[in-house]
Amino acid sequence: NAGVMQNPRHLVRRRGQEARLRCSPMKGHSHVYWYRQLPEEGLKFMVYLQKENIIDESGMPKERFSAEFPKEGPSILRIQQVVRGDSAAYFCASSPPGSLERALNFGPGTRLTVT
Amino acid sequence: QKEVEQNSGPLSVPEGAIASLNCTYSDRGSQSFFWYRQYSGKSPELIMFIYSNGDKEDGRFTAQLNKASQYVSLLIRDSQPSDSATYLCAVSRGLSGGYNKLIFGAGTRLAVHP
Repeated sequence: NAGVMQNPRHLVRRRGQEARLRCSPMKGHSHVYWYRQLPEEGLKFMVYLQKENIIDESGMPKERFSAEFPKEGPSILRIQQVVRGDSAAYFCASSPPGSLERALNFGPGTRLTVT
Repeated sequence: QKEVEQNSGPLSVPEGAIASLNCTYSDRGSQSFFWYRQYSGKSPELIMFIYSNGDKEDGRFTAQLNKASQYVSLLIRDSQPSDSATYLCAVSRGLSGGYNKLIFGAGTRLAVHP
C-alpha cells in the first residue's frame, strides 16, 4: 500500500527555467494538498485541489505558480521562470473523498534548488 | 502575530529526561491540533493529534490541549537521542468547507544528548 509519491526528489534549475513537480496521491485518494517549506521554516500551505478542480489556492504566489490535478495522472505544481527564492522543499499530501481523517500524511517531498 | 507560534529552540535535554514542547495559536476557531516530527532532510511524520481539551497519551508521548488559553503542548518521556528532530505544531479549523487545511508553526528543534 504505497504512500504519497513525489518526483523528482531533487530538482536543480537555473534562474528563468521552469520547474514541474509531480505528486501521485495514495490509491483511492482524490484530494491533494501542496505545501512549501523554506529553509529553517515551517510548512506553508499553498493549494488544495480535487480532481480537475482547484478548491483553495490562497497560499499560492500570484505570479509564476500554478497547480493542476487532472482526471488522469498526478497532480502537478508548476513554477515558471524560477528565481533563487523559490529554492525550498515542496511537500504533497493526499486524502480520500468525504474523509473524516483530519491528519495529513506527507510524501517525501521535492527539494528544488535554483542556481 | 503569527497564527501558530513555537519557540525555535534548540531545546536541549539529557537522555531519559522529559522534553516539553509548547505551541500557541491565534485562531479561536481551531478544532484540530497536530504534532509532527521532522528529521533533517526528511518529510514531516505525524506523531499525535488531539481534538478535545485535556491530555492524550500514546506511548512515551502526551499531548495536552487548553483551548481557553489557546495552548497545546507535547511531552516526550524518557527522551532518547533518536528523538532529536524538529517538532512541528499544526492547527486546523477541522473539516470546514469539506477539507482540512493545516497551519504550521515554524517548529522547535529538540536535541537529546547522551
